[in-house]
Amino acid sequence: EVQLVESGGGLVQPGGSLRLSCTASGFSLNNYAMHWVRQVPGKGLQYVSGISSNGITAYYVDSLRGRFTISRDNSKNTLFLQMGSLRPEDMAVYYCARGSRWLQVPYFMDVWGKGTTVTVSS
Amino acid sequence: DILMTQTPLSLYVTPGQPASISCKSSQGLLHSDGKTSLYWYLQKPGQSAGQSPQLLVYEVSSRFSGVSDRFSGSGSGTDFTLNISRVEAEDVGVYYCMQGLDFPPTFGQGTKVEIK
Repeated sequence: EVQLVESGGGLVQPGGSLRLSCTASGFSLNNYAMHWVRQVPGKGLQYVSGISSNGITAYYVDSLRGRFTISRDNSKNTLFLQMGSLRPEDMAVYYCARGSRWLQVPYFMDVWGKGTTVTVSS
Repeated sequence: DILMTQTPLSLYVTPGQPASISCKSSQGLLHSDGKTSLYWYLQKPGQSAGQSPQLLVYEVSSRFSGVSDRFSGSGSGTDFTLNISRVEAEDVGVYYCMQGLDFPPTFGQGTKVEIK
């Protein structure tokens, strides 16, 4: 079964850091671009970041560039999102999602994890 | 960023009746390869924030693997529609359209479908 499982969410103080992980099973991560999408509870979906299958190219939504870093370890079938200088408005459920073979148009996600919750509060 | 606007934002449907959701983009979504980068997702209700989104339709009108043929997508340019031919109880949730032509991918606000 194709599956993505996120972990690493939790409670962090404003200004703090957190590293999310996403482990893939049922397929080889190195064949796909991967993405992070977040959702504030009760709100809509916001794209966060994407990374190419080989990890060389990474894209970020403008508002998050410089604070978040996406990376991957294909040997461990795992995707990461390093989040820094966290703000209350970063509080959300973070989903990892599988993209196409390349990090290029068209951008889409066909398999999603169940998400991990990030809470930013003092 | 490309703005995606969905209507209506909520829909109450009698089981067995059809339902239709509209999605308009602020610019055309036709790629140079001739395909249109418009996708539909369903996020079913869950304990708190809902289940994760699931892909229903890609490139305007192609159903993703395992998706019921009660779901159909149509449209072109900047105007798109998701139709459900006969709504069933399992179809409740929030439906999102998404454009994948321009970075970053952007989503509509979501349309909540509930059963009467």
